[in-house]
Amino acid sequence: AQTVTQSQPEMSVQEAETVTLSCTYDTSESDYYLFWYKQPPSRQMILVIRQEAYKQQNATENRFSVNFQKAAKSFSLKISDSQLGDAAMYFCAYRSWDRGGGGADGLTFGKGTHLIIQP
Amino acid sequence: NAGVMQNPRHLVRRRGQEARLRCSPMKGHSHVYWYRQLPEEGLKFMVYLQKENIIDESGMPKERFSAEFPKEGPSILRIQQVVRGDSAAYFCASSRGGANEQFFGPGTRLTVL
Repeated sequence: AQTVTQSQPEMSVQEAETVTLSCTYDTSESDYYLFWYKQPPSRQMILVIRQEAYKQQNATENRFSVNFQKAAKSFSLKISDSQLGDAAMYFCAYRSWDRGGGGADGLTFGKGTHLIIQP
Repeated sequence: NAGVMQNPRHLVRRRGQEARLRCSPMKGHSHVYWYRQLPEEGLKFMVYLQKENIIDESGMPKERFSAEFPKEGPSILRIQQVVRGDSAAYFCASSRGGANEQFFGPGTRLTVL
């Protein structure tokens, strides 16, 4: 079974600064997906960024980028120019490659990192 | 284009009662996933359903929990004889399947008194 570990229960960053959230995972699979989700106080899960394991290029979405190190099984999230609206719980998640028949496995989540933005 | 809908948003039950949580997937989505989030924890996968079929229930507790996704209507997560430990937020996600993204609903917060 796959596991996802987020070793930072809480991180704090000054507004406009850059912060990196860490995530490691364990799997015996060679093909898979990795995700970062944001959960603000509303509790709505919002997809921030997604990475396919076969892609060597790191995914980016505006101020959000990842550092994907497949050999090290590491998938960190970098948030540049932090904004007050970035304050939330951030969850790293893993999903196996397609299971065939058009289906896909459920996501395996880490325990989350609480990100605090200081004005 | 409505997103994933879950109702009720909040549900209070006394120990021993039944809880029914409903999830309407996004239009065009035939794959539904249920997750449970305990306080201070990440989401834990419970069950994956396609229309009228349970595909993977490896995360479902063996007793008191069941799920269905009928041909017509929403997916239902049913918890019989609830206990205090069932208090959690229950999230539903839907997708078109395959490599497509799972979109999450707003969750149902279940409180067992």
